[in-house]
Amino acid sequence: DIQMTQSPSSLSASVGDRVTITCRASQGIRNYLAWYQQKPGKVPKLLIYAASTLQSGVPSRFSGSGSGTDFTLTISSLQSEDVATYYCQKYNSAPLTFGGGTKVEI
Amino acid sequence: EVQLVESGGVVVRPGGSLRLSCAASGFTFRDYAMHWVRQAPGKGLEWISFITWDGVFTYYADSVKGRFTISRDNRKDSLYLQMISLRPEDTGVYYCAKGNSSSSIRYSDHWGQGTLVTVSP
Repeated sequence: DIQMTQSPSSLSASVGDRVTITCRASQGIRNYLAWYQQKPGKVPKLLIYAASTLQSGVPSRFSGSGSGTDFTLTISSLQSEDVATYYCQKYNSAPLTFGGGTKVEI
Repeated sequence: EVQLVESGGVVVRPGGSLRLSCAASGFTFRDYAMHWVRQAPGKGLEWISFITWDGVFTYYADSVKGRFTISRDNRKDSLYLQMISLRPEDTGVYYCAKGNSSSSIRYSDHWGQGTLVTVSP
């Protein structure tokens, strides 16, 4: 099975900072990658699919890139409401493995 | 508005069985594949199962294969997860999630609030 590795596992940044989270697949998955945001005590929310397509209603400060095995989620200017854990997920085939998550703090 | 409401989570003893339900509304349920995803306390997300719109094709994580069965009733707009031989490591919040396609394996674009399953003596 393909493994999904996120880094870092946690980070602390200041409001306004540019934040980058990396997700690496152990084998190529083309662009079959999604990113989710889970705020503390809340349900996961889809942010990005197809590696770089922003889900409707998601602020434009979020962006995704990558293809094959290496992917990134970027928050161009971190806001206080972005405090959350972010997960990548592959969906090219089952199992639809999630990465271990990246906790973002201010 | 898409709504997914899970139910059935309780405290159950190791080796026990349980059936979770998910009631869907706000979209044409029969047109979409569905997922179950779980989250152990303080841990990350774990995808566990997928079913196509017609129930013909199902997929499972290795951790639950042979013990869990996903099913759906399109007449009742409902998704189910039958769980047997439960283990303490099955403890967690179980989320029902809507797929973005009828048959293709895709990401989840809407999630329910989850139901808590606790497996404990």
